[in-house]
Amino acid sequence: KQEVTQIPAALSVPEGENLVLNCSFTDSAIYNLQWFRQDPGKGLTSLLLIQSSQREQTSGRLNASLDKSSGRSTLYIAASQPGDSATYLCAPLGDKLIFGTGTRLQVFP
Amino acid sequence: DVKVTQSSRYLVKRTGEKVFLECVQDMDHENMFWYRQDPGLGLRLIYFSYDVKMKEKGDIPEGYSVSREKKERFSLILESASTNQTSMYLCASSFQGTKTYNEQFFGPGTRLTVL
Repeated sequence: KQEVTQIPAALSVPEGENLVLNCSFTDSAIYNLQWFRQDPGKGLTSLLLIQSSQREQTSGRLNASLDKSSGRSTLYIAASQPGDSATYLCAPLGDKLIFGTGTRLQVFP
Repeated sequence: DVKVTQSSRYLVKRTGEKVFLECVQDMDHENMFWYRQDPGLGLRLIYFSYDVKMKEKGDIPEGYSVSREKKERFSLILESASTNQTSMYLCASSFQGTKTYNEQFFGPGTRLTVL
């Protein structure tokens, strides 16, 4: 059974810091992994999709890596801004769809 | 850009009422999904559909049913709403039928309160 853990559960940092958000999963038989952002009371916004053949994916200040064999993915946020404040969720995509409970990020000025 | 819309942002219903949640996507995606999201439990899959009139149970289908009469529309039905169905409901879609592992695109969510 797939279990997804995101560490830390919450993070509060000053603006400008580089951040690392971690996602671990127990079943490595996945095809892709997707990272999302969720603002309070809103739906999920797709940030990055890492396909199984890739090891990392970049979009602007975001970089995500995937190590299927060890069941880990990392989301790196460079030069954080207050607008990055949100909850970040990861979802290993396989025959089962299981989401992490997220990392709640607050970036203060 | 993919656009997934949900019929209501907020909904308040009474116990025992029949409730319909509607989701529409405009990208001709084969797959559509219904999730509920609760604090501490994360997102849980209720049902998904990989084609018109096709459906598969997710992890928590009890108390729910679904309907997909047209490719772009996927409805979640609560036959007799109960207070434990108070939650945020999220719809999503992705391309390629029967494969659950393609990139998912979400709607804005419906916050349902059952009194």
